[in-house]
Amino acid sequence: GAGVSQSPSNKVTEKGKDVELRCDPISGHTALYWYRQSLGQGLEFLIYFQGNSAPDKSGLPSDRFSAERTGGSVSTLTIQRTQQEDSAVYLCASSGDRDPSYEQYFGPGTRLTVT
Amino acid sequence: GNSVTQMEGPVTLSEEAFLTINCTYTATGYPSLFWYVQYPGEGLQLLLKATKADDKGSNKGFEATYRKETTSFHLEKGSVQVSDSAVYFCALTYQGAQKLVFGQGTRLTINP
Repeated sequence: GAGVSQSPSNKVTEKGKDVELRCDPISGHTALYWYRQSLGQGLEFLIYFQGNSAPDKSGLPSDRFSAERTGGSVSTLTIQRTQQEDSAVYLCASSGDRDPSYEQYFGPGTRLTVT
Repeated sequence: GNSVTQMEGPVTLSEEAFLTINCTYTATGYPSLFWYVQYPGEGLQLLLKATKADDKGSNKGFEATYRKETTSFHLEKGSVQVSDSAVYFCALTYQGAQKLVFGQGTRLTINP
């Protein structure tokens, strides 16, 4: 079956521009997560969705970052007025249960480069 | 707070060597513990997990035991292969939160 998909796989943008990153979770998975992987910071949690609501947004680094999920499926992470420190690989994961010990399945990531 | 500390890498071994990658954690309550692996050019995938003290997770010849007394979850393999070359991440989730908290990752290279 299909895994978690993300698009685009690579994105190069100029400083100050807005970008949208998309995540398509595994069909039927109710939980969706965004993480960021960068050289300096390792793997960081950004936001967690259960259905369409986001009970945990504690990892979003600034108000330039926002995310939404519609129809309990696809999610979009938006970064406004991008900065060079936003350059990273953005990972999406989904899981099929509210149990935090349940496996999270990761997508291949979107590599964002801000020039 | 909740955190994970892994041994610093990179780690380079010869094929058939014994592997240990140390992982210790700080957490409130009773976390669940995970090892994730990232092979070159691929996404993160779960290698093994343990959800309570003294549980042993195992997969593909790798093992890790949840040690509450030492707050550790060290990854071991008796005989590594070139195909085990990857970055390994120790992680936890804790009660009241769904998110994974990751260690900094350990890059492992196995030479033939």
